[in-house]
Amino acid sequence: ETGVTQSPTHLIKTRGQQVTLRCSSQSGHNTVSWYQQALGQGPQFIFQYYREEENGRGNFPPRFSGLQFPNYSSELNVNALELDDSALYLCASSTPGQGSYGYTFGSGTRLTVV
Amino acid sequence: RKEVEQDPGPFNVPEGATVAFNCTYSNSASQSFFWYRQDCRKEPKLLMSVYSSGNEDGRFTAQLNRASQYISLLIRDSKLSDSATYLCVVTRDNYGQNFVFGPGTRLSVLP
Repeated sequence: ETGVTQSPTHLIKTRGQQVTLRCSSQSGHNTVSWYQQALGQGPQFIFQYYREEENGRGNFPPRFSGLQFPNYSSELNVNALELDDSALYLCASSTPGQGSYGYTFGSGTRLTVV
Repeated sequence: RKEVEQDPGPFNVPEGATVAFNCTYSNSASQSFFWYRQDCRKEPKLLMSVYSSGNEDGRFTAQLNRASQYISLLIRDSKLSDSATYLCVVTRDNYGQNFVFGPGTRLSVLP
């Protein structure tokens, strides 16, 4: 059984650019959630995708958008990057009804905006 | 007020000590509760779920008090390898799909 994989592991972008982060969910999981973790803080919920539809969104502006594909992998897109977008971006996969067992997180993408 | 709050830390304790972490949550509709462990620059990993009856896993004991909206984690006989940040997590819905993380409490176990 494969775990959650994220790519790239590290990324440096310039303010105003756009970035796409990728996540492959764990085998058998159809839900992917994205989190932003700034240095010294806990992860903050960005949004969740279930069967290719957005299924909940946190307090993030529209320049944060996402996609889920038929194989349940997912992308997080961020437009017009700001310095405060520098963070560790985590994705987690799960299956409805099994959330009580916790998430499986990928190892994250560390984004630095300069 | 943040939805999930934790002891600010950091906690610096000697090997073999017992240490307790506290967490409070504000949403009374929260359904599931967890403790996650996060090593420096790594992803969070599930440490244990938390139940109203309390649960124990080796040196780790978690307690939930729904009436007080309070969660605790006790670590006995601390090891150097326990050094990490401990994140308190609650879920908002019955399917456990929407996780809310606390800010974390950093623990350093010293030789």
